[in-house]
Amino acid sequence: DAGVTQSPTHLIKTRGQHVTLRCSPISGHKSVSWYQQVLGQGPQFIFQYYEKEERGRGNFPDRFSARQFPNYSSELNVNALLLGDSALYLCASSSTGGRNYGYTFGSGTRLTVV
Amino acid sequence: GDSVTQMEGPVTLSEEAFLTINCTYTATGYPSLFWYVQYPGEGLQLLLKATKADDKGSNKGFEATYRKETTSFHLEKGSVQVSDSAVYFCALSGYSSASKIIFGSGTRLSIRP
Repeated sequence: DAGVTQSPTHLIKTRGQHVTLRCSPISGHKSVSWYQQVLGQGPQFIFQYYEKEERGRGNFPDRFSARQFPNYSSELNVNALLLGDSALYLCASSSTGGRNYGYTFGSGTRLTVV
Repeated sequence: GDSVTQMEGPVTLSEEAFLTINCTYTATGYPSLFWYVQYPGEGLQLLLKATKADDKGSNKGFEATYRKETTSFHLEKGSVQVSDSAVYFCALSGYSSASKIIFGSGTRLSIRP
């Protein structure tokens, strides 16, 4: 079975631009979460979606948005990029909420804002 | 709110040495506890987990015991290998944060041959 797949793997954007990151969960997993990992730090929670509904939102500005599609894949959108948005963006999937089974993470999208 | 504190790195050990990485947590109720590992240039891999007090998670020679009385979940391995070099993250998912995982800041481990 394929794991969690994210695209693109690397991305360079200019300040003020918009970016869309994509994630395909493990087949059968209905929960997708997004995390931001700044270099040298632990991942920070951005969003969770379960069955296409938002179930949680972290402390991120409204420039960050996400959605989940009927096939349970997900997109993370970031508008008006800032230099501080440079990070590794991780997608994680779980068959349930993840509390008891943990999440399976993808390899991430490395976003560099210049 | 819920939080995780883990020992700062980097930690450098010789091959076959004993490893302990300390982790303590603050949470209401009974969170689930996890250790994740991140190899260079890769995403996170779930190493082990424990979902209730006194549970012991284990995988690949690593172990951690859920200690409710000391709110700890220390990671141990009896004999480390060069291939264990990575960053290790302690994490929790609790009732107050059921939809998310809260991570510690990570501990970088380097093993010398």
